[in-house]
Formats: sequence, C-alpha cells, structure tokens
Amino acid sequence: DGGITQSPKYLFRKEGQNVTLSCEQNLNHDAMYWYRQDPGQGLRLIYYSQIVNDFQKGDIAEGYSVSREKKESFPLTVTSAQKNPTAFYLCASSISGTGNYGYTFGSGTRLTVV
Amino acid sequence: GENVEQHPSTLSVQEGDSAVIKCTYSDSASNYFPWYKQELGKRPQLIIDIRSNVGEKKDQRIAVTLNKTAKHFSLHITETQPEDSAVYFCAASKEGSSNTGKLIFGQGTTLQVKP
Repeated sequence: DGGITQSPKYLFRKEGQNVTLSCEQNLNHDAMYWYRQDPGQGLRLIYYSQIVNDFQKGDIAEGYSVSREKKESFPLTVTSAQKNPTAFYLCASSISGTGNYGYTFGSGTRLTVV
Repeated sequence: GENVEQHPSTLSVQEGDSAVIKCTYSDSASNYFPWYKQELGKRPQLIIDIRSNVGEKKDQRIAVTLNKTAKHFSLHITETQPEDSAVYFCAASKEGSSNTGKLIFGQGTTLQVKP
C-alpha cells in the first residue's frame, strides 16, 4: 500500500507495557522517520534514521526507542517510560538522508492506552 | 532549533472561493518547504513543495509562495472544491550534516469547503 507499510493499524497498550510498532518500506529509501500526531499539535518528530545502522533522536524521543538493522525496516518501541503514549503514529521515508526530499508516509498506527 | 508556525488552525470557505494558509519559520538556513494534505483517516500526501531559490511555484489550482526575507511561505488554493476539504500541513527543512532531510511541521490547518 504505497510502498511503506505500518502495522498494526490499531494497538492497545496496558499500563507498564512495552509495545512495538512496525514500519517496512520497499522503496529503497535511505532515510526513515517516526512522527507522533496529536490533535492541534501537528506532527512531532520522535526519531529518524538517515542510513541503515544509524539513527538520531528527534524532538520528543523520551520514552521511545528504535532500531535500523535493515534498510527496509524501522520499528518503534513505545516503552513504559512514555507517560502519555495515546496518539496516532506515522512512519515516513525519503530517498536520501543527505538532501531535502519529500516524504512518503505510511498509513499510521493508532495507539491507545487501556 | 527550527520552529514552524501555521495559521489559521481552521478555515471555512465556499466552493469556488480561494483559500490561503500561511506559515512562518524561524531558521533562516531552512531551504526546503513542502506542503502535505491529509484527508480524514488517511496518510499525509505531498501536494507541492518549493525550494529557497524559487519565489513561487504553481501546479494547476495550487500555488506556493516564499518570502525568504520575512521567513514565511503560503499555500494558495483557487476555485476550491469539496474534495479539497482536509488538514493541510506546512513543513521546513535544511541541508547540512545531521539536520538534513528532517522536516519540522506546522500545527496543521483544517480546511472545510462548503458546497
């Protein structure tokens, strides 16, 4: 679906539980990004990776972790340290991490704490 | 770091009228400014972008203007149609080492086009 796939579409987390959101792309893009979307706050950057085996913290990285062991995959773990995880999470990719290019977004994962 | 402010947060227009959404940015080194459209329940989609060496860019009913001196850029939609109803996001980024390609987004504008 559009070259970048996020799963699951909906995810429910219990208090104190870690959960992992999947993001896979088959676009051969070097760079991948995770954003959090809350009403009225736009898209805020959690983590990004310009190239495989490397990633950087974004503006709101606390309580989250990532890995980039394969070019196609950039999973996001929401840990128990993230106190307000209920949000819509968007993964994106771009051709290169060394130039300014538009993003291709996944369809998102809606995470709810129960 | 870069900060992007977007206004208005909501905009309602009659079908056929024009709509204008404005964004300001704080980092004068920013040189890439894309606009995304997000329909309800769907992923954001790139609709137009502009780089700092250009003052204006048009694509059919959509245009973007950039004023580097004032550090603001705007999205113009003419002859609006109901299918233009969506949330629109502006963004900015700059080239250079670890900041390259990292988009900072505005807060979003919900556009409603009334038939």
